[in-house]
Amino acid sequence: DAGVIQSPRHEVTEMGQEVTLRCKPISGHNSLFWYRQTMMRGLELLIYFNNNVPIDDSGMPEDRFSAKMPNASFSTLKIQPSEPRDSAVYFCASSENLGTGRYNEQFFGPGTRLTVL
Amino acid sequence: AQSVTQPDIHITVSEGASLELRCNYSYGATPYLFWYVQSPGQGLQLLLKYFSGDTLVQGIKGFEAEFKRSQSSFNLRKPSVHWSDAAEYFCAVGPLGSSNTGKLIFGQGTTLQVKP
Repeated sequence: DAGVIQSPRHEVTEMGQEVTLRCKPISGHNSLFWYRQTMMRGLELLIYFNNNVPIDDSGMPEDRFSAKMPNASFSTLKIQPSEPRDSAVYFCASSENLGTGRYNEQFFGPGTRLTVL
Repeated sequence: AQSVTQPDIHITVSEGASLELRCNYSYGATPYLFWYVQSPGQGLQLLLKYFSGDTLVQGIKGFEAEFKRSQSSFNLRKPSVHWSDAAEYFCAVGPLGSSNTGKLIFGQGTTLQVKP
């Protein structure tokens, strides 16, 4: 298996522009997670999906951030408009949800390094 | 409040020395426990996990971790550190309960530096 695939690996954009990050989870995994990592705040969970349905988006910073999962093999995280403080590494992870209150390991993608000028 | 604490932000050890990274959690019941490693510029990779059973868990790259219920701890150990172990290490817990459906709580991470 190719693992979790994220694109692009690096993104440099200007303030105010729309940014779309993409993720392809591991085939057969039914949970998908978006994280943001910065030096100041560490690793933060932004949103996660079970069976393509958003379960908890309480970590999404503000309305400028949105995430979708139109099918089991694809998810996007969009920032519109982007701001310099959004600069971070964004990780996507997937796992096999074993049921309520049960866990399996999350597999992380390589991340997208976003720089907003 | 539920939390995961990694008390050491940064640790430096000499190559060949032993290593112990600390992790404490605060939950009512024993959660699912994980250790991840992140090398520079990489995503997180699972080192080991504990769900139940033997409290001493073996992982990849020669790492092990011991779950101690009385101390609410899940410390990561390695008998002899290699220079390639320099990375950031994250402890994570999966709280039990019907409201939790796969979300993990991560600690703030411990950065390991290895001296030659």
